[in-house]
Amino acid sequence: KAGVTQTPRYLIKTRGQQVTLSCSPISGHRSVSWYQQTPGQGLQFLFEYFSETQRNKGNFPGRFSGRQFSNSRSEMNVSTLELGDSALYLCASSLKTGGSYNEQFFGPGTRLTVL
Amino acid sequence: KNQVEQSPQSLIILEGKNCTLQCNYTVSPFSNLRWYKQDTGRGPVSLTIMTFSENTKSNGRYTATLDADTKQSSLHITASQLSDSASYICVVSASNAGNMLTFGGGTRLMVKP
Repeated sequence: KAGVTQTPRYLIKTRGQQVTLSCSPISGHRSVSWYQQTPGQGLQFLFEYFSETQRNKGNFPGRFSGRQFSNSRSEMNVSTLELGDSALYLCASSLKTGGSYNEQFFGPGTRLTVL
Repeated sequence: KNQVEQSPQSLIILEGKNCTLQCNYTVSPFSNLRWYKQDTGRGPVSLTIMTFSENTKSNGRYTATLDADTKQSSLHITASQLSDSASYICVVSASNAGNMLTFGGGTRLMVKP
């Protein structure tokens, strides 16, 4: 079974631009969560989508948005990029939302650099 | 506010030695606690998941313990190998938060020959 895939793996943008990142979950998984990882803040939850609906949202500005398609693939968008948005963006997929043993499987991440 | 704190921040040990990493959390209502291993530039990989009723869980040379009363967990690595060099992240999930995870800052482990 193929794992979680993320595209692109690396991205360089300039301030003010926008970016779209893509995540394909493991086949059969309906939940996709997005996380930002920076050296200063560590891993932080962005949002979770389940069956095309946003279920939870972290404490990030409205410039960060996402969506999920009927095939469970998900995209996240960051508009008006700032230098501080440079980070590793990880997505994780799982069969369901919540639950004690609901394993989340992480993708390799997209490394975004904002110049 | 839900928080997860880990210690030490970094650790250097010799190959073959054992080590123990610590995690304290204030996540409520508690659902489960996970330990992840993350190699540089890669996504985290799950080592163990424990719920309220579990005190210990092993995965090969990795053994995690959980004390839900004191809200503490530890990850013990036995007979370390060079490939154990990575960041180890303690992650806690609240039962009312779906798949939203709260992460500790991680312990960066370096195993030297």
